[in-house]
Amino acid sequence: QKEVEQDPGPLSVPEGAIVSLNCTYSNSAFQYFMWYRQYSRKGPELLMYTYSSGNKEDGRFTAQVDKSSKYISLFIRDSQPSDSATYLCAMSSNTGNQFYFGTGTSLTVIP
Amino acid sequence: DAGVIQSPRHEVTEMGQEVTLRCKPISGHDYLFWYRQTMMRGLELLIYFNNNVPIDDSGMPEDRFSAKMPNASFSTLKIQPSEPRDSAVYFCASSLHPQGTEQYFGPGTRLTVT
Repeated sequence: QKEVEQDPGPLSVPEGAIVSLNCTYSNSAFQYFMWYRQYSRKGPELLMYTYSSGNKEDGRFTAQVDKSSKYISLFIRDSQPSDSATYLCAMSSNTGNQFYFGTGTSLTVIP
Repeated sequence: DAGVIQSPRHEVTEMGQEVTLRCKPISGHDYLFWYRQTMMRGLELLIYFNNNVPIDDSGMPEDRFSAKMPNASFSTLKIQPSEPRDSAVYFCASSLHPQGTEQYFGPGTRLTVT
């Protein structure tokens, strides 16, 4: 079993839709949860990160962590064509000696 | 700050040749990471450094791969000899944090081995 599982998609939605991206994990030691966005032929860029459980909101983006279910989500409200990219989840332990990326979900927002 | 700088951006080489990829992290970041990204395997951590010292190289695929960080502002990833299956995009990232959070990635080096 992989440490982090992420549905690769592709996911295609109309402009303005709410997008939900998800990852599951198996290691209960993970405490830091990140979401990165990667445009085609570019390096990943950090969108948000949360520590432990709970929600975090930044503009149109909301990150949720449910440690009891080992499940994290990224919601994008009012999606825009500029949101078209691959979204990677990542997570790490407190000690920093365990961190992993998901394989990424490809999202296309259609105008 | 200019961000993480990688060179070259593209590299095409023949099987058996030595390849050297270069990275300049963001100034002040103590952690440096090398990744390889392919469609099949996604983003794989190869090795990371803390204060120029390699901490975990368990992701390095085999002895043909080696990485060094002679000072805080420069790191290299070398493949010798290169093979077609090494074709991938190689990213360097740096961070202030030991937990691997808030990593800043470079633009990547697209390596093609023919």
